[in-house]
Amino acid sequence: QKEVEQDPGPLSVPEGAIVSLNCTYSNSAFQYFMWYRQYSRKGPELLMYTYSSGNKEDGSFTAQVDKSSKYISLFIRDSQPSDSATYLCAMSLSGAGSYQLTFGKGTKLSVIP
Amino acid sequence: GAVVSQHPSWVICKSGTSVKIECRSLDFQATTMFWYRQFPKQSLMLMATSNEGSKATYEQGVEKDKFLINHASLTLSTLTVTSAHPEDSSFYICSARGRGRDGYTFGSGTRLTVV
Repeated sequence: QKEVEQDPGPLSVPEGAIVSLNCTYSNSAFQYFMWYRQYSRKGPELLMYTYSSGNKEDGSFTAQVDKSSKYISLFIRDSQPSDSATYLCAMSLSGAGSYQLTFGKGTKLSVIP
Repeated sequence: GAVVSQHPSWVICKSGTSVKIECRSLDFQATTMFWYRQFPKQSLMLMATSNEGSKATYEQGVEKDKFLINHASLTLSTLTVTSAHPEDSSFYICSARGRGRDGYTFGSGTRLTVV
């Protein structure tokens, strides 16, 4: 079993739809959870950073963490064609020092005008 | 916000030559740098972790003599691919973490093509 599982998609939605992206993980020691957006041939861009169970909102993005179920989600409200990208979940054991990130494989999202 | 500048964005080199990729943190001190490799339609694969002033820690299967990492200052880390071969062609990305900062900031990546 991989440490982080993420459905690679592709996922196609119409403009304005609410998008739900998910990851599950097996290591209960993960404490910090991130979502990154990666456009083709570019480096990942940090969207959300959370370290506790519950919801966190930032603009059109909502990150949800359920540590008891080892499940994290990213919701995108009123999706736009510019949101078309690959979304990577990532997690780490600690928020400090040199702890590495463990990534999901990424979900490719296309928002159709 | 935190910015990591990575250069070059793309490079083509001949087989057997060496290529150096630079990552600079522009507005923060990068205490830790991570170097990743990404194949098409794949996630990021961690190659090595480096802390300023100390030797890099390489992941299993990554040749340290082939992928030389230097993190000489708190704002600069370099990855040198030595004696490059076509199988080294890939997308290389650096990531930096600063003291007291949330999250990890990524560079824009370098597409290396070895011909």
